[in-house]
Amino acid sequence: EAQLVESGGGLVKPGGSLRLSCAASGFTFSSHSMSWVRQAPGQGLEWVSAISGSARNIYYEDSVRGRFIVSRDNAKNSLFLQMDSLRVEDTAVYYCARARRTTGDLSGFDLWGQGTMVVVSS
Amino acid sequence: DIQMTQSPSSLSVSVGDRVTITCQASQDITSYLNWYQHKPGKVPKLLIYDASNLQPGVPSRFSGSGSGTDFSFTISSLQPEDVATYYCQQYDFIPPTFGGGTKVEI
Repeated sequence: EAQLVESGGGLVKPGGSLRLSCAASGFTFSSHSMSWVRQAPGQGLEWVSAISGSARNIYYEDSVRGRFIVSRDNAKNSLFLQMDSLRVEDTAVYYCARARRTTGDLSGFDLWGQGTMVVVSS
Repeated sequence: DIQMTQSPSSLSVSVGDRVTITCQASQDITSYLNWYQHKPGKVPKLLIYDASNLQPGVPSRFSGSGSGTDFSFTISSLQPEDVATYYCQQYDFIPPTFGGGTKVEI
């Protein structure tokens, strides 16, 4: 069964850093673009970043560009999000999500992890 | 960025009712539009991809239509387990963007 499991969330002070991980299993990880999607408390879903299967193409939402870095290790079936210079407004549940299609960098997200909570507060 | 305007933001319905949600894109996104269901405490679930295609395993009471800038999502006969927030999402342009969500209650 295909599965995504995130880890690495927690409480951090403004300006601090966190590294989120997402472990994939049950599918050919390298064939799929992967994304991070977040949901702030009481808010809707917001796409954060995507990385193509080969890691050749990387995309960021404007508010995180220059502060967050997405990466992947296809040999270890793992996705990462390095989050630096964290702000209060980055507080959210962060989900890793798999692109449905194996062609192109973006499509619907057909597999989601359970989410990991990031709280940025002094 | 492409703005996705979803309406209504919430609705209260009865079991068996037909529910329709609309989503309007700020510019033409052809058919690159998906619909998700998000229940409290659960992860989002893809229901409809590319405007009108039912994701495998999703009940046939869910459907989607539209192209260009105007899209709709329908639950033909609401079931108690359909209580959730529903989101549209475009992926024709980067960044992919979600609508604000429609909370469906009974």
